[in-house]
Amino acid sequence: QKEVEQNSGPLSVPEGAIASLNCTYSDRVSQSFFWYRQYSGKSPELIMSIYSNGDKEDGRFTAQLNKASQYVSLLIRDSQPSDSATYLCAVTPYNFNKFYFGSGTKLNVKP
Amino acid sequence: GAVVSQHPSRVICKSGTSVKIECRSLDFQATTMFWYRQFPKQSLMLMATSNEGSKATYEQGVEKDKFLINHASLTLSTLTVTSAHPEDSSFYICSARGLAVRGEQFFGPGTRLTVL
Repeated sequence: QKEVEQNSGPLSVPEGAIASLNCTYSDRVSQSFFWYRQYSGKSPELIMSIYSNGDKEDGRFTAQLNKASQYVSLLIRDSQPSDSATYLCAVTPYNFNKFYFGSGTKLNVKP
Repeated sequence: GAVVSQHPSRVICKSGTSVKIECRSLDFQATTMFWYRQFPKQSLMLMATSNEGSKATYEQGVEKDKFLINHASLTLSTLTVTSAHPEDSSFYICSARGLAVRGEQFFGPGTRLTVL
C-alpha cells in the first residue's frame, strides 16, 4: 500500500467551477500535510500547508484535513485555466525527516 | 522568503562524463536537503536526503557511488552524477527544509540533464 494515494485524473472542470482534489494517507501519526502545484516541465511549488483538523483557507484555495479518516483535500474556487497543473499531496511524520508524495492529480480547467 | 536556487538549469553532456548540480537555499538555513528525480509524465522519486555535515541517506535502489551528494554547509548541497549514461537523462530537483518551518520543503527550479 502506498503511503499517499491520489487519483491520477485528469480532472476536468470548466472555468469558474470548484475543483476538488483528494488525497488519502496510510500513516496515522502523520503530522503535516502539504499541497504542491507542478506545471509541466517545472518543479513543484508549495501552495498550502495544513496541520490540524478542519479547513484552512488562502485566497481561492481551501485545504481540508480529517485525521480520523486520514484524508486531506484541496478545493480551488473559481478555477482558472492557469490552475491547470498537476497537484501533489505530501505528508510528513512528526520529525519531518521524510516527505511522502502522492503521484499527483492532473487538473484541466477548460475555458 | 524560502527561495531555493539550482544550477545549472539545463545541461547536455556526453556519455561517461560527470555532471555536478548545485542547490542553494538563498534566504534560510537548510538543515536538510532532498534530491529528487522525475522522468517525463512520472511522479517525483526521492533519491536521497542529506543533512548538513553528515552523509546522505540514499533511497533503496539509488547507487550512492554514482550519485554523489555533498551537503557541506547550511546553504549548499551538490549532486554529482558520475559517469553519466543516457538512462540518467532526467529532471533533477532539489528541495530544502529549514528549522523555522513546520516541515515545508521548498523546491529549486530543477536541472534538466540530457546525456548523449
